[in-house]
Amino acid sequence: EAAVTQSPRNKVTVTGGNVTLSCRQTNSHNYMYWYRQDTGHGLRLIHYSYGAGNLQIGDVPDGYKATRTTQEDFFLLLELASPSQTSLYFCASSATGMDEQYFGPGTRLTVL
Amino acid sequence: GDSVTQTEGPVTLSEGTSLTVNCSYETKQYPTLFWYVQYPGEGPQLLFKVPKANEKGSNRGFEATYNKEATSFHLQKASVQESDSAVYYCALTSSSGSWQLIFGSGTQLTVMP
Repeated sequence: EAAVTQSPRNKVTVTGGNVTLSCRQTNSHNYMYWYRQDTGHGLRLIHYSYGAGNLQIGDVPDGYKATRTTQEDFFLLLELASPSQTSLYFCASSATGMDEQYFGPGTRLTVL
Repeated sequence: GDSVTQTEGPVTLSEGTSLTVNCSYETKQYPTLFWYVQYPGEGPQLLFKVPKANEKGSNRGFEATYNKEATSFHLQKASVQESDSAVYYCALTSSSGSWQLIFGSGTQLTVMP
C-alpha cells in the first residue's frame, strides 16, 4: 500500500513568516499533489507535479510555491505567510493522473 | 468545466438506519468515479472507485452505481454504524487534461448510538 508522510504535523508561525511543508511518498508514484482543507470548502488543489522538476498550478495557487526535488519529495512553500493560509494541508500521490490518490495524514498550519 | 455536487451536510443518523449521500457530476467525457472517506484526524482514503458506466462499486457495506444517463453516483449503505461517522467525498477524473481529481465539497456524517 502507498505510504505518504508529511512533516511537520503541526506548525504555528506569525504573519510574514516563512514556512516549508514537506511530503514524501515511497510508492514510486509519478504524481504528487498539495491540497488545503477548510470548513465549507472541502479539498482545494494548490499545486501538483508529475515528476521531479515539474510543477503544475492548481485551483488556489496564490501565495504558495512548490518544488518537486525527487520522485519521492514534494515541498510546499509559504514565503510570506498570512492568516488566510491557516488551514489543514494534505499531500497526496498517485501512479497516474487518472488513478486514485493516496493521502498523507495532514499538516495543521496556524498563522497568527 | 468539470464539477461534482453532493448532499450538503451535516447528516445525522441513528445506528441501524439507511444512508444515501447523493452525488451528481458534470463532465464532457467518461470519467472514473470515486468515493473517499475521511475519518477524524486522518487524511481521506479511497472507499472504492468505478471506472465504467453502469457498474457498481462496493466496500465495507457501502455501494454506488455509476449512472451515466443520470450523471449520478449516489453512495448507499443499508445499516450504518457509529464507526461510519466520517466525511465522505465524491470525486471524478478531470476531462480537461489537467491530470487531477475533481472533488465534491464533502458530506459530514454522524451516526448516533
